[in-house]
Formats: sequence, structure tokens, C-alpha cells
Amino acid sequence: NAGVTQTPKFRILKIGQSMTLQCTQDMNHNYMYWYRQDPGMGLKLIYYSVGAGITDKGEVPNGYNVSRSTTEDFPLRLELAAPSQTSVYFCASSYEYFSDTIYFGEGSWLTVV
Amino acid sequence: GENVEQHPSTLSVQEGDSAVIKCTYSDSASNYFPWYKQELGKRPQLIIDIRSNVGEKKDQRIAVTLNKTAKHFSLHITETQPEDSAVYFCAAVYSGGYQKVTFGTGTKLQVIP
Repeated sequence: NAGVTQTPKFRILKIGQSMTLQCTQDMNHNYMYWYRQDPGMGLKLIYYSVGAGITDKGEVPNGYNVSRSTTEDFPLRLELAAPSQTSVYFCASSYEYFSDTIYFGEGSWLTVV
Repeated sequence: GENVEQHPSTLSVQEGDSAVIKCTYSDSASNYFPWYKQELGKRPQLIIDIRSNVGEKKDQRIAVTLNKTAKHFSLHITETQPEDSAVYFCAAVYSGGYQKVTFGTGTKLQVIP
């Protein structure tokens, strides 16, 4: 198993641009999450999904959108990028909803200039 | 909502000494408490967890204790080694009808050879 794979690993965006962070997992997990981690800070939940076709907001959803058309894929869309969205983004998945091991992707370093 | 405080933010110990990281949480309904280790530039990985019906759990040099009454839990690392150097995150999870995970802000542990 590859686990959780996210792309790109690094990206520089200009203010106002849009982009999609891709995430896929091959563990047949129903639950998937997107977190952001600002420098020296903890993880903040952006969006999560409990299964294909079902998504919900986390703590910091503003400026982002997600979709979950398949069990495997959970892309994160940034619309109109702002400097405040400069962060490291982690996609993650788990077998059970939160109360189980959360497997993280390797992270995507995003800089908005 | 849940609030998780983690202390200290940085910790330096000599190789072979013990390290203790403490977290407090506010929501008495939280019932699952994982600890994640994040090496520099890497993804967070689960190292140990404890559920609310258990007071202590040990895995080789790592142990976690939980005091539900006081709403705090701690990570104990004995016989520290240089490879233990990393950022450690605690989390409090409520996995009932409304499920949510809140991470602490992290502790940067440095083990000095």
C-alpha cells in the first residue's frame, strides 16, 4: 500500500490564483481529512469527509472547498489564494472516524506571494 | 468547543534522561487521546494512544497517563535517544454523536547526545 499520497509537494501561488491539492489513499478508508499546519503551530482541521459524497467543515474552512466523488480521492481547492493561506497542508485518512490511527500524507508546502 | 493546552513548547534533555510532555483538555466528553511524533519536514505519525477507560498505557520506552478527573494526560519517554528528537503533538478526540479532534500546539523535544 502507498498509504496517503498528496500532490504537489511544493507550490508557489500568486495572490488571487486558484489551485487544487490532490489527495488519494489506497487503504479503503472511509474517513478523510485536510489539515493545515502553520509554522510552529499545531494542526487545524479544514474539511473532513465520512465517505464518498459527504463532506463537512472543520475549524478553518474559509477560502477552501472540497469534494469526495470516490472513496480514494479527496481534493482540496483553494480559491483566490491569500497570503494567510501560506502553510503546510496535510491530507489524512482513518478507518474509523477520528478515534483510530490517522494516517497522514507527506504534506504540501504552499506559499502565497 | 474543545481546547487543548500542551506544555512545554520546547524541551531539551540529555541522552538517557526522561522527558515528560503534558496536555490538558477542556471537554470532559473527549474520550480518545493520541500522541503524534513529527520529525523535521516529515508527516505526523501516531506513536501511542489511550482511551478514556484506561489510566495508563506503555509501549517500550513510551508511556501515556490519563487523569480524567483533572482532564490532563501526559507522554513519558524514558532513556531518551537522539532519534527521539522531534515535535510531539497531543490530541483530544470526542467520538460520540458529534465527532471532533483537537490538537495541541506541539512540543519540540531535543535530545542532546
